[in-house]
Amino acid sequence: GAVVSQHPSRVICKSGTSVKIECRSLDFQATTMFWYRQFPKQSLMLMATSNEGSKATYEQGVEKDKFLINHASLTLSTLTVTSAHPEDSSFYICSASSGTAGPHGSGNTIYFGEGSWLTVV
Amino acid sequence: DAKTTQPTSMDCAEGRAANLPCNHSTISGNEYVYWYRQIHSQGPQYIIHGLKNNETNEMASLIITEDRKSSTLILPHATLRDTAVYYCIVRVLGTGFQKLVFGTGTRLLVSP
Repeated sequence: GAVVSQHPSRVICKSGTSVKIECRSLDFQATTMFWYRQFPKQSLMLMATSNEGSKATYEQGVEKDKFLINHASLTLSTLTVTSAHPEDSSFYICSASSGTAGPHGSGNTIYFGEGSWLTVV
Repeated sequence: DAKTTQPTSMDCAEGRAANLPCNHSTISGNEYVYWYRQIHSQGPQYIIHGLKNNETNEMASLIITEDRKSSTLILPHATLRDTAVYYCIVRVLGTGFQKLVFGTGTRLLVSP
């Protein structure tokens, strides 16, 4: 199946610094990428949807100035956690789709990356 | 909010079939049902998806009721490596994008 890769898989950063997580689609062009976060023993929470070449759409309650998302190419999206604090420590997961957007698109599969563990100390 | 409800947990004996139910009573006519699973500390793994017909692949079978208000994921011969959290997701068609909104999922424990 299609492969989505995230880097780094684990990162530790100091409080107040910024950290960037990359998400790459390795064998297909991803018109849309999604970013989730997951706290221990909880489900995945969608943070934002990004489309190549346009601004990301953030879910309610997600601070767009804190979680900067860039989708500069059809194979790469980045999530930057700015001014990180210990409460931002979490498992961040991206997913990618090559499918046709819109209500009449087919059931195109969405593939997930391996996830990135962020620990803010 | 997620549009599906699933049991919190289920147990299954190794080698037996695991039948995981999912209710999605408010599903719209052009919304798909997706199943993913997540093994601890990994990203979700795609299993199968369907619209209204039953589907089968090398991993599992998906049975969707005629009224599409519920579905069942079947793992025909569960192994220990199938222990995971299984998510039933209805594809939300918001603002033209294919969002996947996760519910709480079912924690499947396969025992020897």
